[in-house]
Amino acid sequence: AQTVTQSQPEMSVQEAETVTLSCTYDTSESDYYLFWYKQPPSRQMILVIRQEAYKQQNATENRFSVNFQKAAKSFSLKISDSQLGDAAMYFCAYHFRWAGGTSYGKLTFGQGTILTVHP
Amino acid sequence: NAGVTQTPKFQVLKTGQSMTLQCAQDMNHNSMYWYRQDPGMGLRLIYYSASEGTTDKGEVPNGYNVSRLNKREFSLRLESAAPSQTSVYFCASNRMGGTDTQYFGPGTRLTVL
Repeated sequence: AQTVTQSQPEMSVQEAETVTLSCTYDTSESDYYLFWYKQPPSRQMILVIRQEAYKQQNATENRFSVNFQKAAKSFSLKISDSQLGDAAMYFCAYHFRWAGGTSYGKLTFGQGTILTVHP
Repeated sequence: NAGVTQTPKFQVLKTGQSMTLQCAQDMNHNSMYWYRQDPGMGLRLIYYSASEGTTDKGEVPNGYNVSRLNKREFSLRLESAAPSQTSVYFCASNRMGGTDTQYFGPGTRLTVL
């Protein structure tokens, strides 16, 4: 079974600085997707960034970028120029890229990392 | 464009009562999902519907039933609520199963006394 581990329950960063959130996963599959979702106090789950495992290039979305190390099964999120609005719980998630079987579309989530941004 | 909507936003039940959580999406997505989120844990899949007319169990299906009413709507029913079902429930949808990003509704906070 796939597992996703976020080893940092809480992180903090000063406004305008950079922070990196860690995520490791375990899978025997070679083709899959990885995601980072943000959950602010409003509870809404917001997609931050997505990485396809077959792509070697790391995904980037504005101030958010990932460091995807497929062999090490590591998928960290870097937030540059942190803003107060970045404060939230961040979840790393995985799903197997296959339209069928018991893992069909099933997102496996890590436990989450609470990010605090200090002004 | 509302995306994924859920009703109600909050609900308090007594043990043994029943209720249905409603979910609708207006993105013409084929696949829909129900997750629950407990404190200190990520979301866990309860049930999913790969396409209209099909449903299947996820990781934690016990105590729940689902109905895919049409392409837009996917409901989750608790027949006899238990305190262990106190949680936040999220509905999600995507175009097609394991090939696409899932988009989430705002969640329903359910408390069972």
